[in-house]
Amino acid sequence: NAGVTQTPKFQVLKTGQSMTLQCAQDMNHEYMSWYRQDPGMGLRLIHYSVGAGITDQGEVPNGYNVSRSTTEDFPLRLLSAAPSQTSVYFCASSLRSGGNQPQHFGDGTRLSIL
Amino acid sequence: TQLLEQSPQFLSIQEGENLTVYCNSSSVFSSLQWYRQEPGEGPVLLVTVVTGGEVKKLKRLTFQFGDARKDSSLHITAAQPGDTGLYLCAGLGGSNYKLTFGKGTLLTVNP
Repeated sequence: NAGVTQTPKFQVLKTGQSMTLQCAQDMNHEYMSWYRQDPGMGLRLIHYSVGAGITDQGEVPNGYNVSRSTTEDFPLRLLSAAPSQTSVYFCASSLRSGGNQPQHFGDGTRLSIL
Repeated sequence: TQLLEQSPQFLSIQEGENLTVYCNSSSVFSSLQWYRQEPGEGPVLLVTVVTGGEVKKLKRLTFQFGDARKDSSLHITAAQPGDTGLYLCAGLGGSNYKLTFGKGTLLTVNP
C-alpha cells in the first residue's frame, strides 16, 4: 500500500498565486486532516474531514479551503498565497476519528511563498 | 484551544545515556499519543495511552500517562543514534475530531 501520498513535495509560489496541495490515501480511511508545521510551532490543524462530503475548520483555517468529494482524496487550496503561508504541510488520515486512532502522515509538501 | 507543553525543547546527549521528555497540560485529555518525526518525513506513531496511570513499553522506550490524564512522559534508556528525531505528543481533548500537538522535543544522540 502507498499509504498517504502528498504532491507536490516542493513548491515555490509568488504572493497572490493560487494552488492546490494534493493528498490521497488508499487505506479507506474515514478521517483526513491537514496540518502545517512551522519552526518552534509544532503541528497546527488547518482543516479536517470525518468522511466524504464533510469538512470542518481546525485551529488555523484562514486562507485555506478544502473539499472531500471522495473517501480517498482531500485537497488543500490556497486561494491567494501570502508569505505567512510559507510552511511544511502535512496530510494525515486515520481509519476513524477519535484519539485512539493512529494518524498516518504523508511526507509533506514544502511550500515557499515569495 | 487545549495546549500541550513539551520540555525540553532541545536535548543533545551521548550514546548510552538515559533521558526523559515531558508533555504537560492544564487540561484533561481522553487519550494521548507520542510520535517521532525524522527529517524530511511525516510523524510516525509510537504509542497511544488512554488510561490514567498507564505505562507502556516499546523496547527501550517507556511511556507514562499521568493519573489525572493531564501529562505524559517518555523515558529512553541507553539512547542510541537511531533515536535521534523530533518527538511529538498529541492529545484529544474536548472534541473527538481535533488532535492537538505539542511543539516537540528535538533529540540528538551523539555516537
